[in-house]
Amino acid sequence: EPEVTQTPSHQVTQMGQEVILRCVPISNHLYFYWYRQILGQKVEFLVSFYNNEISEKSEIFDDQFSVERPDGSNFTLKIRSTKLEDSAMYFCASRETYTQYFGPGTRLTVL
Amino acid sequence: GESVGLHLPTLSVQEGDNSIINCAYSNSASDYFIWYKQESGKGPQFIIDIRSNMDKRQGQRVTVLLNKTVKHLSLQIAATQPGDSAVYFCAEAGGGTSYGKLTFGQGTILTVHP
Repeated sequence: EPEVTQTPSHQVTQMGQEVILRCVPISNHLYFYWYRQILGQKVEFLVSFYNNEISEKSEIFDDQFSVERPDGSNFTLKIRSTKLEDSAMYFCASRETYTQYFGPGTRLTVL
Repeated sequence: GESVGLHLPTLSVQEGDNSIINCAYSNSASDYFIWYKQESGKGPQFIIDIRSNMDKRQGQRVTVLLNKTVKHLSLQIAATQPGDSAVYFCAEAGGGTSYGKLTFGQGTILTVHP
């Protein structure tokens, strides 16, 4: 069964450093998403991406964040200058019709 | 503002019992609802979904009920098993021009005792 994959599973970085989180969505899906989940809290929407452009973003997704689909299979989330409060699980999701399928997540720890 | 919330943060049941997890939503424009299961350290796993033009949908051991009048969603799990222990989230997607952005509830912790 096809699934969304994410790398790395855990990323530790120093405050102020740039990180790139990678996702491989399910191959025939056209809509891509990033969400985050701070420990013990609910999953929060960050950004949606369709047809090679951002279709919607949340207040969390400020100028420090960017997304890219560099080729036909990868979908990345970049945080330019990480802050302590960026520490969270980051989930990628994709969909073809209505249902969004989530990857296993990347745990980002900012020190 | 828009929100999706859960009435019960924790639910403990015995193996074999039926479980009911509830969710309230506030955005009357929402037209698609999903239940996800999240096990520790993993991503949300799709369980079942329902469109707003339906009030009930059944899957394998799971049933989702939608009451649009009171903006309430529930997930029923039949013959609950220890492997069902997880956090359960409801999520809603608004209609109109939203590109499928999901708004999640806080989650209910389901614990199934053998």
